[in-house]
Amino acid sequence: LAKTTQPISMDSYEGQEVNITCSHNNIATNDYITWYQQFPSQGPRFIIQGYKTKVTNEVASLFIPADRKSSTLSLPRVSLSDTAVYYCLVGALNSGGYQKVTFGTGTKLQVIP
Amino acid sequence: DTEVTQTPKHLVMGMTNKKSLKCEQHMGHRAMYWYKQKAKKPPELMFVYSYEKLSINESVPSRFSPECPNSSLLNLHLHALQPEDSALYLCASSQNKEGRKNNEQFFGPGTRLTVL
Repeated sequence: LAKTTQPISMDSYEGQEVNITCSHNNIATNDYITWYQQFPSQGPRFIIQGYKTKVTNEVASLFIPADRKSSTLSLPRVSLSDTAVYYCLVGALNSGGYQKVTFGTGTKLQVIP
Repeated sequence: DTEVTQTPKHLVMGMTNKKSLKCEQHMGHRAMYWYKQKAKKPPELMFVYSYEKLSINESVPSRFSPECPNSSLLNLHLHALQPEDSALYLCASSQNKEGRKNNEQFFGPGTRLTVL
């Protein structure tokens, strides 16, 4: 499984755009990149997933360069409610139809008023 | 229904007790997972069930015994736990349809376990 590396923590003011970068130098050809958000004492929640280039949904964008050895989660105009831990994962479905993933250390994002 | 439910929310048990954690989903997902999360640490995979069969056991001690009685239910039976087993236990599920290349996992809220 590809190991991921993220900054341990980040601070941002409300209303700013936040970019969290994840390194995954050993990503395999079939691996997808997935980001989860976790609030204290809750289960992680899926944010976004991508394979290459750029993916955008209603809450975030994911930028993946051509070599796929890193990815950047972009959160536009963060609010206090975005204070959470953000995990970057890489992995693919195996032949059994499930995904074995390893969570990295995560990035604790603190949004400041 | 896009929800994974877990019961109980909190559990306090002694080292000689036997208890069970329960997880349920009605999304038709055929892969279900147990994770353990210690405070300020990322979730760690414990078990994976695929089509009600145990597919992965991440060298978990035998005092944790998983069970998947049907496609919607996942149990984790606990016996003779140690205080260091105190953690948040998370259940997750995902689709495993043939042909899908990616796979979002849906997590439950977790059971906060304290072993005295």
